[in-house]
Amino acid sequence: KQEVTQIPAALSVPEGENLVLNCSFTDSAIYNLQWFRQDPGKGLTSLLLIQSSQREQTSGRLNASLDKSSGRSTLYIAASQPGDSATYLCAPGGSWGKLQFGAGTQVVVTP
Amino acid sequence: GAGVSQSPSNKVTEKGKDVELRCDPISGHTALYWYRQSLGQGLEFLIYFQGNSAPDKSGLPSDRFSAERTGGSVSTLTIQRTQQEDSAVYLCASSLPVPATTDTQYFGPGTRLTVL
Repeated sequence: KQEVTQIPAALSVPEGENLVLNCSFTDSAIYNLQWFRQDPGKGLTSLLLIQSSQREQTSGRLNASLDKSSGRSTLYIAASQPGDSATYLCAPGGSWGKLQFGAGTQVVVTP
Repeated sequence: GAGVSQSPSNKVTEKGKDVELRCDPISGHTALYWYRQSLGQGLEFLIYFQGNSAPDKSGLPSDRFSAERTGGSVSTLTIQRTQQEDSAVYLCASSLPVPATTDTQYFGPGTRLTVL
């Protein structure tokens, strides 16, 4: 069974700092990996999807890397803003698109 | 365009009652997933539908849980004889047909179920 670990569990930074969120997973036989953000009381918003054949994916201030063989992914958020405050979830995708989620990293960006 | 919608947004029920949760996927998305997010448990997969194929029910926690998808679109998750441990947020997601590694899953806002 896929086990997903996200470190740190919580992170508080001043506005403008870069964020580094780590995700590790035990089963490297994945098809892709998605990063989501979840705001309190809301559903999940997809941020980035990395195919298993890719090493990284970028969108604006977000960059996600994937090292499938070692079971690691990292989400970088540049020049953080208060609006980036949310919980970030890592989800490796297995067969038929089934996602296995980590517990998340709760991020607070203070003005 | 319209995203994934779920109803009701909140449901409070008494232990032992049956509940139905509804999901309307994005139009044209043939893959539909149900997940559950419990306090202290994180997000867990429950069931997956793909077109007219038999659903993958491997994540359903007990036989009190069932789901159907009518006409390849709307899905209903039914929990019979609810228990307090069923209290959670139930999330629905849809995507384009799988297997296709490019497919992002789009999530609805969820239904918060509270069993008293």
